[in-house]
Amino acid sequence: AQSVAQPEDQVNVAEGNPLTVKCTYSVSGNPYLFWYVQYPNRGLQFLLKYITGDNLVKGSYGFEAEFNKSQTSFHLKKPSALVSDSALYFCAVGSGNNAGNMLTFGGGTRLMVKP
Amino acid sequence: DVKVTQSSRYLVKRTGEKVFLECVQDMDHENMFWYRQDPGLGLRLIYFSYDVKMKEKGDIPEGYSVSREKKERFSLILESASTNQTSMYLCASSFLRQGGQPQHFGDGTRLSIL
Repeated sequence: AQSVAQPEDQVNVAEGNPLTVKCTYSVSGNPYLFWYVQYPNRGLQFLLKYITGDNLVKGSYGFEAEFNKSQTSFHLKKPSALVSDSALYFCAVGSGNNAGNMLTFGGGTRLMVKP
Repeated sequence: DVKVTQSSRYLVKRTGEKVFLECVQDMDHENMFWYRQDPGLGLRLIYFSYDVKMKEKGDIPEGYSVSREKKERFSLILESASTNQTSMYLCASSFLRQGGQPQHFGDGTRLSIL
């Protein structure tokens, strides 16, 4: 079985400050890790993924994420937050053991960026 | 760009009705998925399909069925709608390849059962 934990329901940050949204995972086998963003009344948009290789992954809108195998974490980061980054963020995990590339999603973290 | 289109953004139905939610994708993806999204629970997988006429149960299939007669279309059916099925429903699709394929989502259908 695979699982994802996003320990913070909400993260508050001031515009221009760095932001981190936390994610830890549990999976048997090598993990495939994803971050998605959801704006109000919209579906999820793919931000970035880690499959293999460099532990620091860069994605859309200036976001990046760091894979840490020993801590089973995949935290989302951005050096300088924008008000427009305010949204709901989901971490997801899959593995090579899954038929059909099934993903398990975390409960989501709401990011609030204040001017 | 991948386009996943869900037929309705908002839908209101009555208890006991048979409800159809439709999803179409234009990227020739093999995999298609139906999730429901509830506050604090994230996304929960209802059913998925990796080929025409193939379906697999997800985590919460009770009260739902699916149909995939064509590769691009995946339908979710609520056989007899109940109030606890009021939720946001999201459809997604992806390629069936060596793992790590991102799923692409539609904008969702917000379903209310009265």
